[in-house]
Amino acid sequence: GEDVEQSLFLSVREGDSSVINCTYTDSSSTYLYWYKQEPGAGLQLLTYIFSNMDMKQDQRLTVLLNKKDKHLSLRIADTQTGDSAIYFCAESIDGTLTFGKGTMLLVSP
Amino acid sequence: DGGITQSPKYLFRKEGQNVTLSCEQNLNHDAMYWYRQDPGQGLRLIYYSQIVNDFQKGDIAEGYSVSREKKESFPLTVTSAQKNPTAFYLCASSPRSTSGGNEQFFGPGTRLTVL
Repeated sequence: GEDVEQSLFLSVREGDSSVINCTYTDSSSTYLYWYKQEPGAGLQLLTYIFSNMDMKQDQRLTVLLNKKDKHLSLRIADTQTGDSAIYFCAESIDGTLTFGKGTMLLVSP
Repeated sequence: DGGITQSPKYLFRKEGQNVTLSCEQNLNHDAMYWYRQDPGQGLRLIYYSQIVNDFQKGDIAEGYSVSREKKESFPLTVTSAQKNPTAFYLCASSPRSTSGGNEQFFGPGTRLTVL
């Protein structure tokens, strides 16, 4: 079955770049997504990438996709304290999403 | 305002009671989903529905039931058969896609505590 893996925790200083990594196992995934969850809230869609793309940039966010290695990353430039949250990657297969367990990003002043 | 609403935000029930969680969307989305979130477990799919009057089991459907009588509504019932119902429940919806995408939009969640 499908499995999405993420590191559990990342700590950075305000103003630095953050890179959150994700690996997936199903090569038939068509779209890959990044979501953000703040404490006690639902998930907010940040960005997504189609599987035939290598990179997508959206303001401070850059998504890189290495389809050969089934590796996805989210880079946040100039990380702010408001970026502190849990970040989930997810892959789309057959009309449903499979989520990783989430990476908690802690940004210190 | 368009969006997905879940009510209530916090819910307490005694063990052995069934409880129904509400999820409503006014985005005109065809598909709706229910997830359960436990600490350190990420999101696990309970049930989903791609059209009215039809739904499918997800990975952890045992002890839960759903209905989809209207496009806007997808209530989830947590039955007394669910062994460990205390969790954060998230509802999501997505528009019909012809390209294989599945962009899901989430509600604010309901935290259920069974005493």
